[in-house]
Amino acid sequence: EAQVTQNPRYLITVTGKKLTVTCSQNMNHEYMSWYRQDPGLGLRQIYYSMNVEVTDKGDVPEGYKVSRKEKRNFPLILESPSPNQTSLYFCASSPGQGNPLSYEQYFGPGTRLTVT
Amino acid sequence: RKEVEQDPGPFNVPEGATVAFNCTYSNSASQSFFWYRQDCRKEPKLLMSVYSSGNEDGRFTAQLNRASQYISLLIRDSKLSDSATYLCVVNMKTGGFKTIFGAGTRLFVKA
Repeated sequence: EAQVTQNPRYLITVTGKKLTVTCSQNMNHEYMSWYRQDPGLGLRQIYYSMNVEVTDKGDVPEGYKVSRKEKRNFPLILESPSPNQTSLYFCASSPGQGNPLSYEQYFGPGTRLTVT
Repeated sequence: RKEVEQDPGPFNVPEGATVAFNCTYSNSASQSFFWYRQDCRKEPKLLMSVYSSGNEDGRFTAQLNRASQYISLLIRDSKLSDSATYLCVVNMKTGGFKTIFGAGTRLFVKA
């Protein structure tokens, strides 16, 4: 089944404790992206990746890191989480060939993160 | 001003009603447009792409007006199962490739 998976789905952690949220897709998509969703603000793009070893900042990259060492994986790293990073996080992918703006994005099920 | 703006609603309509959502965008570098549907904090799923010529998929019709920088979604003959949040999405190339979501419009369809 074609899908985007995220782990963990739920995470409660404490301020300053490094964490990684994994994202994996099995559709051979070139483009992957991370979003956070907060009430009243909608989804905001954190980072995106056009292909392996190519990443770029979205609208809200502060406090996050990403890497794209393999095509299928795009982990989101919070080196020192803070309470304002409490949010619902979605990973997404799309085919991306040619003009990546043309394609719909397929979303993972979301990761609900709470930082206390 | 937000780059993509939607009326947050909620829209409360009876079954069978026709309902229209609008979305405005401010960046002329916007290149592609979509409507997604999101159920109760689950992942967004594509409802339809939006083209300048307009497009229709069953009870759903989407329109794009580049001159006025807005897109619309029309739902005819609303069903209870249409209750969800509808997200307006704009992709743009401004230095990099960005995706901007509207905050969403909540729809409740009641029997």
